[in-house]
Amino acid sequence: QSVLTQPPSASGTPGQGVIISCSGTSSNIGSSSVNWYQQLPGTAPKILIYSVSQRPSGVPDRFTGSKSGTSASLAISGLQSEDEADYFCSSWDHSLNGWVFGGGTKVTVL
Amino acid sequence: QIQVVQSGDEVKKPGASVKVSCKASGYIFNRFAMNWVRQAPGQGLEWVGGINPYNGDTKYAQTLEGRVTMTTDTSTSTAYMELRSLKSDDTAIYYCAKGLSGSLFSYMDVWGKGTTVTVSS
Repeated sequence: QSVLTQPPSASGTPGQGVIISCSGTSSNIGSSSVNWYQQLPGTAPKILIYSVSQRPSGVPDRFTGSKSGTSASLAISGLQSEDEADYFCSSWDHSLNGWVFGGGTKVTVL
Repeated sequence: QIQVVQSGDEVKKPGASVKVSCKASGYIFNRFAMNWVRQAPGQGLEWVGGINPYNGDTKYAQTLEGRVTMTTDTSTSTAYMELRSLKSDDTAIYYCAKGLSGSLFSYMDVWGKGTTVTVSS
């Protein structure tokens, strides 16, 4: 049981957009920043979005992060086949005194 | 370039211990935190803990406190994660992941390829 709640799956056709939600509490998302990691099949996770909405160098601007209260979202616009991956949200939890993750959302490009 | 290279896969019996290493290169090792994250087969990510190589400060996941120890060797830029009293539930890929800064509150910007630890009798 993950501390942060994500839908298990999301899908769209090439060119469409998808939004992945991440729900937390006042001890994590409500009082901390949010990061998103992308895990391509068979590989290690990679940072996709940090500090709610910042993209590291090399990450396309098709990926957008946002946060409101105790929830966060990752939006992917203009879906491409290479976006098929698992996406995990993460935040620091002040009660647990550690990083917590969502269960992951598998994005499928139809 | 910045990279972290992990030790090879391990197979252990229940009750045994495992020690995984993570050798860093391409940056000043003791200026950046090192985290450990694990992923059980077909499951999500779980933070195991982290260490600040500069002063040795550690934080561990509450669920693993007492069974896990993280250390570093700054002379070889290597971080270690030891997990004791292994159970079948500890079977997972263990990743080391460099923090963006010395603080464990910073996100993880460079990940190792992972070390598979299998616990089986």
